[in-house]
Amino acid sequence: EAQVTQNPRYLITVTGKKLTVTCSQNMNHEYMSWYRQDPGLGLRQIYYSMNVEVTDKGDVPEGYKVSRKEKRNFPLILESPSPNQTSLYFCASSTRVGISYNEQFFGPGTRLTVL
Amino acid sequence: AQKITQTQPGMFVQEKEAVTLDCTYDTSDQSYGLFWYKQPSSGEMIFLIYQGSYDEQNATEGRYSLNFQKARKSANLVISASQLGDSAMYFCAMREGNSGYSTLTFGKGTMLLVSP
Repeated sequence: EAQVTQNPRYLITVTGKKLTVTCSQNMNHEYMSWYRQDPGLGLRQIYYSMNVEVTDKGDVPEGYKVSRKEKRNFPLILESPSPNQTSLYFCASSTRVGISYNEQFFGPGTRLTVL
Repeated sequence: AQKITQTQPGMFVQEKEAVTLDCTYDTSDQSYGLFWYKQPSSGEMIFLIYQGSYDEQNATEGRYSLNFQKARKSANLVISASQLGDSAMYFCAMREGNSGYSTLTFGKGTMLLVSP
């Protein structure tokens, strides 16, 4: 089954304790992205990657790191989490299809709480 | 300026009625794509429908249709014959340019509640 998986699905942690949220896709997609969703703000992009070893900042990259060593994986790293990073996080992937159509497939989400 | 504006924080509709969720967008690109996603209370993002800027006909997918008015820069989602399972948050999103890779920019969403 074609899918994007994220782990963990739920995480409660404390300020300053480094954590990694994993994201993996089995569709051989080139493009992967991380979003955070906060009430009243919709989804905002954190980082994205166009291919292996190619990453770039989105709209809200502060406090986050990413890496893309393999095509299928795109982990999100919080080196020193703070309470303002409490959010619902989505990983998404897509391939380049035609000129304009480009559906992004979303993972199930990771609900992170930083105390 | 916001690129995607959803002016309705919440909408109520009775079962079997049609409902329109508003979305306006702002871009100077000639090539762009517009998407609608549904997010039920379980949290996952479900792709509903897509409209390309060069598509001459309004997109339709089952009970979902997109009322695309390019000159007004609006891309309203129409759900016909609402069902209880349609109760969810709905997001409009836009991808600008024609690289096929660019970021999706989301609106703030509209919460739809369908009553029996």
